[in-house]
Amino acid sequence: DQQVKQNSPSLSVQEGRISILNCDYTNSMFDYFLWYKKYPAEGPTFLISISSIKDKNEDGRFTVFLNKSAKHLSLHIVPSQPGDSAVYFCAATSNDYKLSFGAGTTVTVRA
Amino acid sequence: EAGVTQFPSHSVIEKGQTVTLRCDPISGHDNLYWYRRVMGKEIKFLLHFVKESKQDESGMPNNRFLAERTGGTYSTLKVQPAELEDSGVYFCASSQLRFTDTQYFGPGTRLTVL
Repeated sequence: DQQVKQNSPSLSVQEGRISILNCDYTNSMFDYFLWYKKYPAEGPTFLISISSIKDKNEDGRFTVFLNKSAKHLSLHIVPSQPGDSAVYFCAATSNDYKLSFGAGTTVTVRA
Repeated sequence: EAGVTQFPSHSVIEKGQTVTLRCDPISGHDNLYWYRRVMGKEIKFLLHFVKESKQDESGMPNNRFLAERTGGTYSTLKVQPAELEDSGVYFCASSQLRFTDTQYFGPGTRLTVL
């Protein structure tokens, strides 16, 4: 039973433009949400997170938005750079520590 | 500071054989996790240690999988006997105290069962 879903397996964006990645979840007990970035042959690396008490968190070029009523979050990358080409995983957790991941979205930034 | 390390990076074994994966967490991290990604799908939780104790092993697929964490330091994940469906990438992660503390992942072990 997949509780976190990323419905877009891939996204192609031109360098300098905005990348928007979407994620939906079903478990209303989730109260902490994260995005991880993964390059080939490497482990996921933490990118940005947001608590359920907030609706936006920003860190440099990365902003995460949370819409609890819709059980939806998104990651905005502005501006997109070639080094942003990677697989992005949405994840969620409650106070049981285990992360529930989506299947990932592969982002390709075109020059 | 050294990150999470995993050994081996790749393992190819035949069905029915035994394989042991090792994870060394970041020094001082009490929480250690195992995850698995199969066939490019989602990364799935397997289990969670707090120091040497298993806190949650609800994601372990079956009793062919055995995880240990000796003295609260490194951890091993043994698969015995391996089946074809066990193929995938096994990730280890570690974190500090709170559930909101970042989980740092190792590079993973790619297991192929033939």
